[in-house]
Amino acid sequence: AQTVTQSQPEMSVQEAETVTLSCTYDTSESDYYLFWYKQPPSRQMILVIRQEAYKQQNATENRFSVNFQKAAKSFSLKISDSQLGDAAMYFCAYRRAITGTASKLTFGTGTRLQVTL
Amino acid sequence: GAVVSQHPSWVICKSGTSVKIECRSLDFQATTMFWYRQFPKKSLMLMATSNEGSKATYEQGVEKDKFLINHASLTLSTLTVTSAHPEDSSFYICSAPGQLREHGYTFGSGTRLTVV
Repeated sequence: AQTVTQSQPEMSVQEAETVTLSCTYDTSESDYYLFWYKQPPSRQMILVIRQEAYKQQNATENRFSVNFQKAAKSFSLKISDSQLGDAAMYFCAYRRAITGTASKLTFGTGTRLQVTL
Repeated sequence: GAVVSQHPSWVICKSGTSVKIECRSLDFQATTMFWYRQFPKKSLMLMATSNEGSKATYEQGVEKDKFLINHASLTLSTLTVTSAHPEDSSFYICSAPGQLREHGYTFGSGTRLTVV
């Protein structure tokens, strides 16, 4: 079974600084997708960034980027120029790439990010 | 983009009663819907997967008779908590796959259930 581990229950960053959230996963699959989701106090899940396992290039979305190390099964999220609105719970998630059907998302335990002035 | 509308956003019910939560895909057809439960400050735990026109697939440890899932159309999936007890109080979230295989899934806004 696939597992996703987030070893940092809480992180704190000053506004305008950079922070990196860690995620490791375990799978025997070769084709899969990885995601970072943000859950603000409203509890709406928001997709931050996604990475296809077959792509070597790390995904980037504006201030958000990932460091995807497939061999090490590591998928960290870097938030640059942190803003107050980045404060939220961040979940790393994994799903298998299956043709013709939808596969479930497996979530890590989450990292609560605080952004201070 | 794909939108999943979830209702109600919060509900309070008495012990022993049943509560129905609806998730509708507004601008796309959701043949599959995932139902999650989230305890305070915890991660999302998958409860079941519903597929349009067939029986839902429940995760190990989830009571099928307590959490009834119906996916009668391509745009509507429902979760009914039957004979609710205070320990069923939680945050329930639905999610549907996006239209492109490599995309992440779209989530409903969640339902906070309180059983008194």
